Amino acid sequence: EPEVTQTPSHQVTQMGQEVILRCVPISNHLYFYWYRQILGQKVEFLVSFYNNEISEKSEIFDDQFSVERPDGSNFTLKIRSTKLEDSAMYFCASSGPSNQPQHFGDGTRLSIL
Amino acid sequence: DAKTTQPNSMESNEEEPVHLPCNHSTISGTDYIHWYRQLPSQGPEYVIHGLTSNVNNRMASLAIAEDRKSSTLILHRATLRDAAVYYCILLLNRDDKIIFGKGTRLHILP
Repeated sequence: EPEVTQTPSHQVTQMGQEVILRCVPISNHLYFYWYRQILGQKVEFLVSFYNNEISEKSEIFDDQFSVERPDGSNFTLKIRSTKLEDSAMYFCASSGPSNQPQHFGDGTRLSIL
Repeated sequence: DAKTTQPNSMESNEEEPVHLPCNHSTISGTDYIHWYRQLPSQGPEYVIHGLTSNVNNRMASLAIAEDRKSSTLILHRATLRDAAVYYCILLLNRDDKIIFGKGTRLHILP
């Protein structure tokens, strides 16, 4: 069964540095998402992306964050000038045409030192 | 957004059926009832969804009350691998953002 893949599985970054989290969604999917989960807390929606633009974003997704689909296969989340509170699991998800459910990757654990 | 209410945690014995309840008294006529689960150290995983009729798939069954104000996810024969947090979510469209609650943490006893 096709799956969403995320790299790296664990990223350690110094506070203030930029980080890019990468995702390869399922190939025929059209809708892409980023969620995050701070340790011990709920999964939180960050942003959804469709037709090469952001379709919805949450309050968390401020100017520090950006998303891009640089080619036909990758979907990236960039965090500029990381803060300690950005430490979390970041999950990418995608969903296909014809109103299919969302498929999630196994996440990238981001640790900000 | 219509909200759902689930017990914080439940326990079941291995190889027995499990019934996970969800209340959604403010559901609208066009909301679909979705269930996702999150196994330890993994991303959320789609389980099943329905609108009005009961649904079955290879993972589980979904029983929906006639008034749609509640539903029950049924795992017919729980295994240790089914230990996870189960989320009951209402979505108008499947490509809508998912607002996760705290879900029900299911413990399976060997």
